[in-house]
Amino acid sequence: EAGVAQSPRYKIIEKRQSVAFWCNPISGHATLYWYQQILGQGPKLLIQFQNNGVVDDSQLPKDRFSAERLKGVDSTLKIQPAKLEDSAVYLCASSLDGRPGGYTFGSGTRLTVV
Amino acid sequence: DAKTTQPNSMESNEEEPVHLPCNHSTISGTDYIHWYRQLPSQGPEYVIHGLTSNVNNRMASLAIAEDRKSSTLILHRATLRDAAVYYCILSGYGNKLVFGAGTILRVKS
Repeated sequence: EAGVAQSPRYKIIEKRQSVAFWCNPISGHATLYWYQQILGQGPKLLIQFQNNGVVDDSQLPKDRFSAERLKGVDSTLKIQPAKLEDSAVYLCASSLDGRPGGYTFGSGTRLTVV
Repeated sequence: DAKTTQPNSMESNEEEPVHLPCNHSTISGTDYIHWYRQLPSQGPEYVIHGLTSNVNNRMASLAIAEDRKSSTLILHRATLRDAAVYYCILSGYGNKLVFGAGTILRVKS
């Protein structure tokens, strides 16, 4: 079974620029999550999709972050404009049905804002 | 979301057992206890989970206290590849995973 694919692996941008991250979940997984992990901290959930609908985006800074999951498969997370404090690893995870032990994470995209 | 308390860091010798504790005094009856670990430069990976009974799999064992207010992840023979951050997470079926800071496990050769 292929894992959760994320790209790019690394990205360096200047503040106020925009950036987008892509995630391809495991085939058939209905639920997709985006997490932000700041250095030295645990991952923080930004947004949760169920198929192509948003279930929870309470922690997403909506003034600059947006995410979509067209056709209930791939997803993109965008930041516009980026701030220095957005430097972090952005992790994508997917789950078939939320069953315990059924979450699979990608390797993440490391974003550096300078 | 129910909270867990874990030590910031622990150290172990290679090929010795490791017991990673987790306290969760406010656990609800429907909360599963999940353990994930994160190796350097990788995303978290599933280790084990349980509800009430102790669990074993190829990676580890999970010992759950009778009152469910604490649990212990047991790595039977630590290797250098087990050096990672270990997260203890409470979550109901179908609910999101909320991560704390976890325990940094260092393994000495």
